[in-house]
Amino acid sequence: GAVVSQHPSRVICKSGTSVKIECRSLDFQATTMFWYRQFPKQSLMLMATSNEGSKATYEQGVEKDKFLINHASLTLSTLTVTSAHPEDSSFYICSAQGPRGGYTFGSGTRLTVV
Amino acid sequence: GEDVEQSLFLSVREGDSSVINCTYTDSSSTYLYWYKQEPGAGLQLLTYIFSNMDMKQDQRLTVLLNKKDKHLSLRIADTQTGDSAIYFCAPGGGGSQGNLIFGKGTKLSVKP
Repeated sequence: GAVVSQHPSRVICKSGTSVKIECRSLDFQATTMFWYRQFPKQSLMLMATSNEGSKATYEQGVEKDKFLINHASLTLSTLTVTSAHPEDSSFYICSAQGPRGGYTFGSGTRLTVV
Repeated sequence: GEDVEQSLFLSVREGDSSVINCTYTDSSSTYLYWYKQEPGAGLQLLTYIFSNMDMKQDQRLTVLLNKKDKHLSLRIADTQTGDSAIYFCAPGGGGSQGNLIFGKGTKLSVKP
């Protein structure tokens, strides 16, 4: 079945540095990918929707210059957290939409900014 | 690791009740969520239940939780064509960070 690989699963970085999170669809082409953020013990928040070859659509309140999303190919989308701060520490998860409309989630990335 | 299982498809007639089932393995989950995803859109939180509850009703939605069997269900009463979507259950809140774990989702088709 459809598999989405998200990497890294866990990352610790220093405040002020940037972190890139990759989301790959391994056996299908993902026309659309979604990026979510989950604060501890809370539900998901949609950050942005990315379509291959075009700019991502960000949800209200999400800073596009801080959370850079690149959907360079039909199998890869990346989320870069720039100039990370401790308040960016969170669980980030991607979801990829396949050609038949189904959705597959990555396993998530736990980001800790120290 | 954590595993979440759902049936992939469910088809019902308009006006009938729909029941979407989910089984999970992480017994430490404290919140269990149901999300809906329509074509091309992001996840929409439908409802959630705390692990110390066995039932929650919210208008047309009823969530049943059998913690012993690690079984969660979502019942939609008087299903409408607008309910056609993919439904995900997501146990969460367990472990040290409370990450959500998603299954493959159940595609609900509502026939007129």
